[in-house]
Amino acid sequence: DGGITQSPKYLFRKEGQNVTLSCEQNLNHDAMYWYRQDPGQGLRLIYYSQIVNDFQKGDIAEGYSVSREKKESFPLTVTSAQKNPTAFYLCASSGVQGVYNQPQHFGDGTRLSIL
Amino acid sequence: AQSVAQPEDQVNVAEGNPLTVKCTYSVSGNPYLFWYVQYPNRGLQFLLKYITGDNLVKGSYGFEAEFNKSQTSFHLKKPSALVSDSALYFCAVRDVTNAGKSTFGDGTTLTVKP
Repeated sequence: DGGITQSPKYLFRKEGQNVTLSCEQNLNHDAMYWYRQDPGQGLRLIYYSQIVNDFQKGDIAEGYSVSREKKESFPLTVTSAQKNPTAFYLCASSGVQGVYNQPQHFGDGTRLSIL
Repeated sequence: AQSVAQPEDQVNVAEGNPLTVKCTYSVSGNPYLFWYVQYPNRGLQFLLKYITGDNLVKGSYGFEAEFNKSQTSFHLKKPSALVSDSALYFCAVRDVTNAGKSTFGDGTTLTVKP
């Protein structure tokens, strides 16, 4: 079955540590996205990539970094500069570059907590 | 800038009754509108979308939504609610003039009581 796989499901970060969240899709989608979800708030866009080797900052990119070396992979690194990283992180993808009438497909998220 | 408002944090209905989850939007161009559902500790699942054409859109699990351009609304509806419909619902808008970025509402928790 095609879909998006996020790992790990739960992650704990120590002070001063960088952690990387994995996102892999086998839907052959061009665009991929990272969102942060906090209780009572909607999804906030961290980074997005419309094509391999290209990505743009979203609304809350500070303290995060990404790479897009392969079409199917879009890992997110939460750096030590992100002072409030505790949240539910969702990865999504959608189809063809420049085609916006398609829905996004979401993974099942990674819950990040501070130790 | 585009925005989405879901004015109700919580909606409670009895099983078998009709349900409505409200959404209004603001976008500079023609809107692409979406509804998603989220169950606890899961990702969002697509329910339905409005792109163009008929103002009444039918989607998954018996849900439908009515697009109203003059009121800039896209309310989610279902004629007869089920207990299993209890979840968190998100409205989202994509704007082709904004690189196709999606903006999500804050979500509405739907509780259907037996």
